[in-house]
Amino acid sequence: DAKTTQPTSMDCAEGRAANLPCNHSTISGNEYVYWYRQIHSQGPQYIIHGLKNNETNEMASLIITEDRKSSTLILPHATLRDTAVYYCIVSGFGNEKLTFGTGTRLTIIP
Amino acid sequence: DTGVSQNPRHKITKRGQNVTFRCDPISEHNRLYWYRQTLGQGPEFLTYFQNEAQLEKSRLLSDRFSAERPKGSFSTLEIQRTEQGDSAMYLCASSLEISSTRVTGELFFGEGSRLTVL
Repeated sequence: DAKTTQPTSMDCAEGRAANLPCNHSTISGNEYVYWYRQIHSQGPQYIIHGLKNNETNEMASLIITEDRKSSTLILPHATLRDTAVYYCIVSGFGNEKLTFGTGTRLTIIP
Repeated sequence: DTGVSQNPRHKITKRGQNVTFRCDPISEHNRLYWYRQTLGQGPEFLTYFQNEAQLEKSRLLSDRFSAERPKGSFSTLEIQRTEQGDSAMYLCASSLEISSTRVTGELFFGEGSRLTVL
């Protein structure tokens, strides 16, 4: 699976959009981009995934660049409950053996 | 509660003892995964099952570790002769493979079993 690079930490003001970047320059054509988050003392929680088109669900939006070498997870109106470690993962289709890195620790500031 | 359930949530043991963790996946899910997470790190894949068949094991899974899913439902992870380096959170996840060409892309994780080896 391709390697991903994320900032170690980020802050965002409550109510604002949180934009979390991820670089995956070695992604191959059949690899998906997954985002999970882990709130303290809980198991990871799936957020969203995509291949090349932008995706949106009730939790977030995923924007993938045209060359697929990077992506951005957008939490449109961040709340204090969004404080968590966010993991960007690249994995082949049907391969749910996910390789987590160390993620981005997002802190929502009141 | 229809989520993934793990027991016990916390286990403290002495070095050299055996421990067993249990995972009850979401009932209709045919895939079950075990991950390990140490402090400050992301989860690391250990092994996964498709129904009762163990299809892949990580090199992290030493001979002291064994996982089973006897009837394709719940799973157990046993660690024999525990070492202090085994101290970690052990996470279980499940997912549904709809067909060989269609997966949900989503793993559902339990809250984990935290192991402390003294």
